[in-house]
Amino acid sequence: NAGVTQTPKFRVLKTGQSMTLLCAQDMNHEYMYWYRQDPGMGLRLIHYSVGEGTTAKGEVPDGYNVSRLKKQNFLLGLESAAPSQTSVYFCASSYYGDYNEQFFGPGTRLTVL
Amino acid sequence: GIQVEQSPPDLILQEGANSTLRCNFSDSVNNLQWFHQNPWGQLINLFYIPSGTKQNGRLSATTVATERYSLLYISSSQTTDSGVYFCATYGGSQGNLIFGKGTKLSVKP
Repeated sequence: NAGVTQTPKFRVLKTGQSMTLLCAQDMNHEYMYWYRQDPGMGLRLIHYSVGEGTTAKGEVPDGYNVSRLKKQNFLLGLESAAPSQTSVYFCASSYYGDYNEQFFGPGTRLTVL
Repeated sequence: GIQVEQSPPDLILQEGANSTLRCNFSDSVNNLQWFHQNPWGQLINLFYIPSGTKQNGRLSATTVATERYSLLYISSSQTTDSGVYFCATYGGSQGNLIFGKGTKLSVKP
């Protein structure tokens, strides 16, 4: 049981490049989330999904897109990376919403030059 | 939205000492989690504790939902306990966790 995994672990992009971050969970969770962590800002929600085929915007969605084609995977895309997107990205999952524990992946450290 | 405040912001301990970290929240909650972010950046689930008390080895946590606070106790601290401790609770309709700013713990040998 691997829990929540993320690929890649590290990435450096140039401004304007695109990339996709992959999150996978093997716990049969319905809900999945993408957060970003910036110094002094804590973790903020980018997008989330309440089930296969669904996505919704979180607190800071601009510049990102997501897809949940399979229940176990949640992809985060950056179409045209900007230096302001330099951050650590965490994926999380839970069975459902409010009353359930969220489990986090190991994070992806992204630098945009 | 709900506010989550943690104290103290920084804590330096000698190995073997005990400590108490506090988390206050501005409204009633039905979910409260404690995490440890280790020096490598990984977020590790410590407790899921919407109310009551739980213990796991040298760590224990208590949430008093009616008084809107939670406490994390670390006994006989070790250098491997160093890192940042976050508490978090659900903040709204999006189902996301609202995190406090964390307590940075440094345990000296």
